Amino acid sequence: EDQVTQSPEALRLQEGESSSLNCSYTVSGLRGLFWYRQDPGKGPEFLFTLYSAGEEKEKERLKATLTKKESFLHITAPKPEDSATYLCAVQAGGTDKLIFGTGTRLQVFP
Amino acid sequence: NAGVTQTPKFQVLKTGQSMTLQCAQDMNHEYMSWYRQDPGMGLRLIHYSVGAGITDQGEVPNGYNVSRSTTEDFPLRLLSAAPSQTSVYFCASSGWASGRRRSEETQYFGPGTRLLVL
Repeated sequence: EDQVTQSPEALRLQEGESSSLNCSYTVSGLRGLFWYRQDPGKGPEFLFTLYSAGEEKEKERLKATLTKKESFLHITAPKPEDSATYLCAVQAGGTDKLIFGTGTRLQVFP
Repeated sequence: NAGVTQTPKFQVLKTGQSMTLQCAQDMNHEYMSWYRQDPGMGLRLIHYSVGAGITDQGEVPNGYNVSRSTTEDFPLRLLSAAPSQTSVYFCASSGWASGRRRSEETQYFGPGTRLLVL
């Protein structure tokens, strides 16, 4: 069964304290792995799509990487405005459907 | 572009009532989908559509109907509301550019509809 697990469930960081969020997955032939940011009371906001092991993508303080079993979202020198829930989703080969993890709730304190 | 719009933002229903959640996008995207989000469960796919006239079931389709008569609109119908359908509902769309994989297109989510069924 296709599955996505995100860890940790919650993460508290001091401003400037770099860290990583994990997304591990089991899927029948990965077609794509997606990262989203979700602020309270709002819809998810697309961040990255990764397709193959070894691929990396960056946006401001965020960097997403992909291996054959997991993806990491690295946050470098985070700021309070990076506080949000970060969602990971995978798309199996031969389907348009996305399977989401339950997210990591990130809080960055000044 | 307004992106993906959803109405209403909030709705209270009594058990057994029916209603339609509206979703529209102005980006000419072929792929649209409906999710529900519940605490500790993540986003779960209800129904999706790969183009006008084509719909398919997702992970949790029971109790919901969809249709896609135009590219822009993808309404979600609750036939007979139940308390288990209390949730936040998100509509999403993503484009398909010729020569590129669909997955490379950004998936846009609407602001959500919060539904409470008493």
